[in-house]
Amino acid sequence: NAGVTQTPKFRVLKTGQSMTLLCAQDMNHEYMYWYRQDPGMGLRLIHYSVGEGTTAKGEVPDGYNVSRLKKQNFLLGLESAAPSQTSVYFCASRHDSRNQPQHFGDGTRLSIL
Amino acid sequence: AQKVTQAQTEISVVEKEDVTLDCVYETRDTTYYLFWYKQPPSGELVFLIRRNSFDEQNEISGRYSWNFQKSTSSFNFTITASQVVDSAVYFCALSAPMDTGRRALTFGSGTRLQVQP
Repeated sequence: NAGVTQTPKFRVLKTGQSMTLLCAQDMNHEYMYWYRQDPGMGLRLIHYSVGEGTTAKGEVPDGYNVSRLKKQNFLLGLESAAPSQTSVYFCASRHDSRNQPQHFGDGTRLSIL
Repeated sequence: AQKVTQAQTEISVVEKEDVTLDCVYETRDTTYYLFWYKQPPSGELVFLIRRNSFDEQNEISGRYSWNFQKSTSSFNFTITASQVVDSAVYFCALSAPMDTGRRALTFGSGTRLQVQP
Protein backbone atom coordinates (compact mmCIF):
# COMPACT_ATOMS: atom_id res chain seq x y z
CA ASN A 1 0.00 0.00 0.00
CA ALA A 2 2.35 2.71 -1.22
CA GLY A 3 -0.28 5.47 -1.67
CA VAL A 4 1.48 8.61 -2.89
CA THR A 5 5.24 8.40 -3.37
CA GLN A 6 7.47 11.39 -3.97
CA THR A 7 10.98 11.20 -5.38
CA PRO A 8 13.46 12.48 -4.26
CA LYS A 9 12.98 13.24 -0.57
CA PHE A 10 15.77 15.82 -0.39
CA ARG A 11 17.70 17.79 -2.96
CA VAL A 12 20.10 20.71 -3.02
CA LEU A 13 20.45 22.67 -6.23
CA LYS A 14 22.45 25.62 -7.40
CA THR A 15 20.70 28.65 -8.84
CA GLY A 16 19.96 28.10 -12.51
CA GLN A 17 19.99 24.31 -12.39
CA SER A 18 16.97 22.31 -13.48
CA MET A 19 15.32 19.29 -11.96
CA THR A 20 12.14 17.25 -11.96
CA LEU A 21 10.19 16.04 -8.95
CA LEU A 22 8.25 12.85 -9.45
CA CYS A 23 4.94 11.98 -7.83
CA ALA A 24 3.46 8.52 -8.25
CA GLN A 25 0.15 7.22 -6.91
CA ASP A 26 -1.21 3.71 -7.02
CA MET A 27 -4.83 4.45 -6.07
CA ASN A 28 -6.10 5.14 -9.61
CA HIS A 29 -6.97 8.70 -8.62
CA GLU A 30 -8.02 11.18 -11.27
CA TYR A 31 -6.95 14.35 -9.50
CA MET A 32 -3.36 15.17 -8.64
CA TYR A 33 -1.83 18.29 -7.12
CA TRP A 34 1.47 19.94 -6.36
CA TYR A 35 1.70 22.24 -3.34
CA ARG A 36 4.56 24.08 -1.76
CA GLN A 37 4.90 24.70 1.95
CA ASP A 38 6.75 27.72 3.25
CA PRO A 39 7.16 28.76 6.90
CA GLY A 40 4.10 30.52 8.29
CA MET A 41 2.16 30.25 5.02
CA GLY A 42 0.58 26.83 5.01
CA LEU A 43 0.45 24.99 1.69
CA ARG A 44 -0.15 26.76 -1.60
CA LEU A 45 -1.26 25.18 -4.84
CA ILE A 46 1.27 25.28 -7.68
CA HIS A 47 -0.35 23.18 -10.43
CA TYR A 48 -2.95 20.49 -10.62
CA SER A 49 -4.33 17.89 -12.97
CA VAL A 50 -7.87 16.56 -13.30
CA GLY A 51 -6.86 13.60 -15.45
CA GLU A 52 -4.25 12.05 -17.69
CA GLY A 53 -2.99 14.51 -20.26
CA THR A 54 -4.44 17.59 -18.54
CA THR A 55 -2.78 20.19 -16.33
CA ALA A 56 -3.73 23.61 -15.01
CA LYS A 57 -2.24 26.43 -12.99
CA GLY A 58 -2.83 26.96 -9.30
CA GLU A 59 -2.10 30.02 -7.18
CA VAL A 60 1.70 30.10 -7.50
CA PRO A 61 2.64 28.53 -10.88
CA ASP A 62 5.45 30.86 -11.98
CA GLY A 63 8.79 29.12 -12.46
CA TYR A 64 7.26 25.63 -12.58
CA ASN A 65 5.99 23.30 -15.26
CA VAL A 66 4.12 20.04 -14.93
CA SER A 67 3.19 17.02 -16.99
CA ARG A 68 0.71 14.16 -16.56
CA LEU A 69 1.54 11.73 -19.35
CA LYS A 70 0.39 8.74 -17.33
CA LYS A 71 -2.51 8.70 -14.91
CA GLN A 72 -0.40 7.52 -12.02
CA ASN A 73 2.41 10.06 -12.41
CA PHE A 74 2.52 13.81 -11.99
CA LEU A 75 5.85 15.53 -12.64
CA LEU A 76 6.88 18.96 -11.38
CA GLY A 77 9.74 20.65 -13.21
CA LEU A 78 11.95 23.58 -12.32
CA GLU A 79 13.64 24.78 -15.50
CA SER A 80 15.94 27.33 -13.86
CA ALA A 81 15.90 27.06 -10.10
CA ALA A 82 15.86 30.23 -7.98
CA PRO A 83 16.47 30.65 -4.23
CA SER A 84 12.80 31.69 -3.85
CA GLN A 85 11.86 28.14 -4.80
CA THR A 86 13.49 26.75 -1.68
CA SER A 87 10.57 25.01 -0.04
CA VAL A 88 8.99 21.71 0.90
CA TYR A 89 6.95 20.32 -1.97
CA PHE A 90 3.97 18.08 -1.43
CA CYS A 91 2.14 16.03 -3.99
CA ALA A 92 -1.43 14.91 -3.38
CA SER A 93 -4.04 12.88 -5.16
CA ARG A 94 -7.72 12.23 -4.72
CA HIS A 95 -10.59 10.28 -6.16
CA ASP A 96 -12.99 12.31 -8.27
CA SER A 97 -15.84 11.84 -5.80
CA ARG A 98 -16.56 15.08 -3.96
CA ASN A 99 -16.44 13.46 -0.57
CA GLN A 100 -12.94 12.13 -0.70
CA PRO A 101 -9.98 13.75 1.06
CA GLN A 102 -6.64 14.29 -0.60
CA HIS A 103 -3.87 11.81 0.09
CA PHE A 104 -0.46 13.41 0.48
CA GLY A 105 3.03 12.18 -0.19
CA ASP A 106 5.72 12.62 2.44
CA GLY A 107 7.15 15.73 0.81
CA THR A 108 10.35 16.75 -0.97
CA ARG A 109 12.64 19.22 0.77
CA LEU A 110 14.33 21.33 -1.89
CA SER A 111 17.07 23.88 -1.20
CA ILE A 112 18.32 26.27 -3.87
CA LEU A 113 21.68 27.86 -3.15
CA ALA B 1 -12.09 33.78 -3.38
CA GLN B 2 -11.58 31.35 -0.56
CA LYS B 3 -9.66 31.96 2.61
CA VAL B 4 -8.86 30.05 5.77
CA THR B 5 -7.60 31.83 8.86
CA GLN B 6 -5.87 30.16 11.77
CA ALA B 7 -5.14 33.07 14.05
CA GLN B 8 -3.22 31.03 16.62
CA THR B 9 0.32 30.68 15.37
CA GLU B 10 1.58 28.63 18.29
CA ILE B 11 0.00 27.15 21.41
CA SER B 12 1.82 25.59 24.31
CA VAL B 13 0.03 23.48 26.90
CA VAL B 14 0.94 21.04 29.61
CA GLU B 15 0.05 17.40 29.18
CA LYS B 16 -3.56 16.52 30.10
CA GLU B 17 -4.81 20.02 29.43
CA ASP B 18 -7.60 20.52 26.90
CA VAL B 19 -6.79 22.72 23.92
CA THR B 20 -8.88 24.23 21.13
CA LEU B 21 -7.48 25.18 17.76
CA ASP B 22 -9.48 27.83 15.94
CA CYS B 23 -10.31 27.91 12.24
CA VAL B 24 -12.34 30.56 10.43
CA TYR B 25 -13.10 30.25 6.73
CA GLU B 26 -14.49 32.36 3.91
CA THR B 27 -16.17 31.13 0.76
CA ARG B 28 -19.00 32.21 -1.51
CA ASP B 29 -19.94 28.64 -2.33
CA THR B 30 -22.89 27.03 -0.59
CA THR B 31 -21.39 23.58 -0.96
CA TYR B 32 -17.95 23.11 0.48
CA TYR B 33 -15.84 20.78 2.57
CA LEU B 34 -13.67 21.48 5.56
CA PHE B 35 -10.68 19.43 6.64
CA TRP B 36 -8.13 19.18 9.40
CA TYR B 37 -4.68 17.76 8.80
CA LYS B 38 -1.92 17.04 11.29
CA GLN B 39 1.76 17.50 10.44
CA PRO B 40 3.97 15.85 13.07
CA PRO B 41 7.68 16.71 13.37
CA SER B 42 8.46 13.98 10.83
CA GLY B 43 6.80 16.18 8.21
CA GLU B 44 4.07 14.11 6.61
CA LEU B 45 0.48 15.32 6.41
CA VAL B 46 -2.05 13.16 8.18
CA PHE B 47 -5.74 13.50 7.38
CA LEU B 48 -7.91 13.88 10.50
CA ILE B 49 -11.43 14.78 9.46
CA ARG B 50 -13.65 15.96 6.62
CA ARG B 51 -16.92 17.83 7.11
CA ASN B 52 -19.34 18.98 4.43
CA SER B 53 -21.25 22.23 4.62
CA PHE B 54 -24.61 20.53 5.03
CA ASP B 55 -23.66 18.63 8.13
CA GLU B 56 -23.34 20.83 11.20
CA GLN B 57 -23.28 18.03 13.71
CA ASN B 58 -20.28 18.06 15.96
CA GLU B 59 -18.05 15.04 15.77
CA ILE B 60 -16.03 13.23 18.39
CA SER B 61 -13.30 10.70 17.75
CA GLY B 62 -11.58 9.57 20.90
CA ARG B 63 -9.85 12.61 22.41
CA TYR B 64 -10.55 14.70 19.31
CA SER B 65 -13.70 16.69 18.69
CA TRP B 66 -14.75 19.19 16.08
CA ASN B 67 -17.25 22.04 16.34
CA PHE B 68 -18.63 23.27 13.00
CA GLN B 69 -20.70 26.46 13.12
CA LYS B 70 -21.86 27.89 9.79
CA SER B 71 -23.25 31.01 11.49
CA THR B 72 -19.74 32.07 12.48
CA SER B 73 -17.91 30.28 9.59
CA SER B 74 -15.82 28.38 12.07
CA PHE B 75 -14.59 24.81 12.30
CA ASN B 76 -12.73 24.48 15.58
CA PHE B 77 -10.78 21.46 16.76
CA THR B 78 -10.48 20.43 20.40
CA ILE B 79 -8.05 17.94 21.86
CA THR B 80 -9.10 16.67 25.27
CA ALA B 81 -6.46 15.56 27.77
CA SER B 82 -3.60 16.44 25.45
CA GLN B 83 -0.57 14.18 25.17
CA VAL B 84 3.01 14.81 24.09
CA VAL B 85 2.32 12.83 20.90
CA ASP B 86 -0.20 15.51 19.94
CA SER B 87 2.65 17.97 19.40
CA ALA B 88 2.46 18.92 15.73
CA VAL B 89 1.37 21.60 13.32
CA TYR B 90 -2.34 21.42 12.59
CA PHE B 91 -3.81 22.74 9.37
CA CYS B 92 -7.39 23.61 8.63
CA ALA B 93 -8.31 23.51 4.94
CA LEU B 94 -11.27 24.29 2.70
CA SER B 95 -12.40 22.82 -0.61
CA ALA B 96 -15.26 24.16 -2.68
CA PRO B 97 -15.90 21.58 -5.41
CA MET B 98 -17.86 23.93 -7.62
CA ASP B 99 -15.30 26.74 -7.73
CA THR B 100 -13.28 25.89 -10.82
CA GLY B 101 -13.59 22.14 -10.82
CA ARG B 102 -10.11 21.66 -9.46
CA ARG B 103 -11.26 20.67 -5.98
CA ALA B 104 -7.98 21.78 -4.51
CA LEU B 105 -7.48 22.65 -0.87
CA THR B 106 -7.05 26.16 0.48
CA PHE B 107 -4.99 25.88 3.64
CA GLY B 108 -4.72 28.03 6.69
CA SER B 109 -1.25 28.97 7.85
CA GLY B 110 -1.30 26.31 10.56
CA THR B 111 -1.16 26.24 14.35
CA ARG B 112 1.88 24.73 16.02
CA LEU B 113 0.85 22.85 19.16
CA GLN B 114 3.47 22.01 21.74
CA VAL B 115 2.43 19.71 24.55
CA GLN B 116 4.87 19.78 27.43
CA PRO B 117 5.22 16.72 29.69
